[in-house]
Amino acid sequence: KAGVTQTPRYLIKTRGQQVTLSCSPISGHRSVSWYQQTPGQGLQFLFEYFSETQRNKGNFPGRFSGRQFSNSRSEMNVSTLELGDSALYLCASSLGSANTEAFFGQGTRLTVV
Amino acid sequence: DQQVKQNSPSLSVQEGRISILNCDYTNSMFDYFLWYKKYPAEGPTFLISISSIKDKNEDGRFTVFLNKSAKHLSLHIVPSQPGDSAVYFCAAMRGFGGSQGNLIFGKGTKLSVKP
Repeated sequence: KAGVTQTPRYLIKTRGQQVTLSCSPISGHRSVSWYQQTPGQGLQFLFEYFSETQRNKGNFPGRFSGRQFSNSRSEMNVSTLELGDSALYLCASSLGSANTEAFFGQGTRLTVV
Repeated sequence: DQQVKQNSPSLSVQEGRISILNCDYTNSMFDYFLWYKKYPAEGPTFLISISSIKDKNEDGRFTVFLNKSAKHLSLHIVPSQPGDSAVYFCAAMRGFGGSQGNLIFGKGTKLSVKP
């Protein structure tokens, strides 16, 4: 079956702009989580959506937001982009029940200039 | 404060030998642990997991050991192959309430397997 699909793969934006990233989870998976990976901080949890509701949230400013649609697809939005937002943004999908594995997409590489 | 620590940023091993990657955690509420492998410019790939009720889980060449009293887990790869060269991330989660909670990742260990 198809894996986790993230679009676009690469993005270049200028400071102050906003960006929307998309994630299509594995069929049947209801949980979608977003992570930011930077060289200095590693993989950091942004938020998790389950059945269209945000279920968990990491320690990121309000400029980072997301949503999930009824088909479990999710979008992540970053407003007022800063240079420090340049990172690999990863989406992971899972069944959403306890002790289940999360499967990652290939990520979106965002560069803010 | 890092709740999941991988203290070795890199590890070099000869092909055919054993690779041992270590991970320590501080939060005793973690009850599920996972290892992921990551190549550059790709998302992490799930390798193997272990529940806190077990102390060992094996899948082919990969074995994960969990020592709850020491809050330590390790990933053994035997025999190591050049294709295993990647960054390995240890992750922990609290499985409460059916929620994925969030995966807390270590900063990774770069494994190089030399032919």
